[in-house]
This record gives sequence, C-alpha cells and structure tokens, in this order.
Amino acid sequence: GDSVTQMEGPVTLSEEAFLTINCTYTATGYPSLFWYVQYPGEGLQLLLKATKADDKGSNKGFEATYRKETTSFHLEKGSVQVSDSAVYFCALRDTGTASKLTFGTGTRLQVTL
Amino acid sequence: SQTIHQWPATLVQPVGSPLSLECTVEGTSNPNLYWYRQAAGRGLQLLFYSVGIGQISSEVPQNLSASRPQDRQFILSSKKLLLSDSGFYLCAWSRGGEETQYFGPGTRLLVL
Repeated sequence: GDSVTQMEGPVTLSEEAFLTINCTYTATGYPSLFWYVQYPGEGLQLLLKATKADDKGSNKGFEATYRKETTSFHLEKGSVQVSDSAVYFCALRDTGTASKLTFGTGTRLQVTL
Repeated sequence: SQTIHQWPATLVQPVGSPLSLECTVEGTSNPNLYWYRQAAGRGLQLLFYSVGIGQISSEVPQNLSASRPQDRQFILSSKKLLLSDSGFYLCAWSRGGEETQYFGPGTRLLVL
C-alpha cells in the first residue's frame, strides 16, 4: 500500500539557517504530493503541493521538487525564521483514491534566535 | 469564504464513556469530509471519509463510528471509549474532484 516516510525530528536550527526535511514515498500509481504545516495548537494548513514528476511546489519561501526517480519530495527553505517553528507533514494522494491522503509521521522544526 | 469548525476543542473522558465530536463546514456545498486521528508520536491516520449525506467509508476497524446527518455536518462517535482512543482528532473537507484538503482546528481527546 501507499506510505510516506519522513525524517525523524525534532530538527533544531538557528534563525537564518538552511532547512531540509526529507520525505520519500511508496505508491502504486502516480501520486500527487503535499506538504502540510501544523503550527502550535492549530490544525493543518496546506503549505505546497506538486502533482507530477519534476514539478516544484513553493510557498512562503519553502520549496519541494517532485522527484519520481528517487520517489522523494524533500522540503527546503534557504533561511528559516522563528515563526517557521511547527510540525511539517509530507503526504501523498494516489490516483483513484477519492482524495484520500496518506501522511507521514511529521517532523517537528524548532527555530531559535 | 469557507470555514470549518470543530468542537469541543479539548475533551477529557473516562474509559467506557460515550463520545461525540462534531465538525461543520460553512461556505461550500456537498464537500467531501474526513476524520483523521493523530496519536502521540505518530502521523495522521484517516479514520472515515464521506462523499455525501449518509455515505460513510471506514478506513480502519475500531470502536469508532461516523455519521453525516446533513450535507456539511460530520460526527465522530463512540459508544464506549478505550484508552487507546486518546489523541488529536482532525476533521477536513475538500471539494469533490479536487485534491487539496482543508483542516479544522482539531479536538484533543484524553481518555483516562
């Protein structure tokens, strides 16, 4: 079945550091890939998405490129801020699955001054 | 604009007691609706989804059930809670045929 594997956290960075959160997936079809973010005490928000191979999703300075050859969708940001502290979830939607999402376990990011 | 509400925000219940969590969506019609659970240290697990009134699909066997009595209302229930039901319950909606899901603020449930 479908699955998503994320790097375990927590990830602790200083402000303005470079961020990478790894995500790899297993799917039977041609999935769409997503990153969701959960700020403290809140629900999940869509951060970015990519629907086909080589697409790059981007939002708020975050980027992720759909790499079919490595089945990966790593999240990157060039310079993190304290306000980026949150839990980040990688997810996929496989074809023909009625919009059902499969999530990774989440990676907690803590950014300090 | 569309909004999604969940209540209560926090709930502490004894083992064996019943449960009812409610989710409502405003500003859209005939949404797909979803219940997820986020257990401590784990990712989100899809519990139920619904593509219309009275239509419920269950993803995992458990002592929970879901109902959709109205187009924009989705209820998660249990007759007898277990300790393992503790977690963070998230409701989400999407437009039919679209991929993006929009999440509510969640309900934190602690079963003691």
